[in-house]
Amino acid sequence: EDQVTQSPEALRLQEGESSSLNCSYTVSGLRGLFWYRQDPGKGPEFLFTLYSAGEEKEKERLKATLTKKESFLHITAPKPEDSATYLCAVQAGNYGQNFVFGPGTRLSVLP
Amino acid sequence: ETGVTQTPRHLVMGMTNKKSLKCEQHLGHNAMDWYKQSAKKPLELMFVYNFKEQTENNSVPSRFSPECPNSSHLFLHLHTLQPEDSALYLCASSQVLAGGSQETQYFGPGTRLLVL
Repeated sequence: EDQVTQSPEALRLQEGESSSLNCSYTVSGLRGLFWYRQDPGKGPEFLFTLYSAGEEKEKERLKATLTKKESFLHITAPKPEDSATYLCAVQAGNYGQNFVFGPGTRLSVLP
Repeated sequence: ETGVTQTPRHLVMGMTNKKSLKCEQHLGHNAMDWYKQSAKKPLELMFVYNFKEQTENNSVPSRFSPECPNSSHLFLHLHTLQPEDSALYLCASSQVLAGGSQETQYFGPGTRLLVL
């Protein structure tokens, strides 16, 4: 059974304190791994798509990396506005056949 | 503003009511999906429309019925729902590559549904 787990469940950082969020997956035939951020009461906001091990993508203070078993979302010098729940999801098989979200990591950045 | 709109934003309905949720995308994407987000549970994919054809329903109860009249509009028709169906219902618009991989995905703000 395809599974996606995320750790930690919750993370509190001081402003400027860099850290990483983890997304571990067990799927057959990974077609893509996706990162989103979700603010309370809103829909998820798309951040990155990673397709193969070794791939990296960056956007402002965020950098996503992918290995054969997990992905990391590195947050460099976070600011309070980075506080949100960060979700990862994996696609296995063709689009719509198997798309599984992880439970998310709730990030709080304190000023 | 993601280019994906959903109406209504909030809905309260009784178990015997019939209602519909609407989603519209202005991104020129080729796929649209419905998701359910319940408290303490990961997002659950309900229905997928790829190139206007429904390709996945993930064993969703028949009291939920999707409709996709064109590539910009998606509906979720609701009837005889149960209180446990109360949740945030999210619509997503996706660009799917020729090989079947998803490239990007943008979510609407969701409809907060309460079933009494």
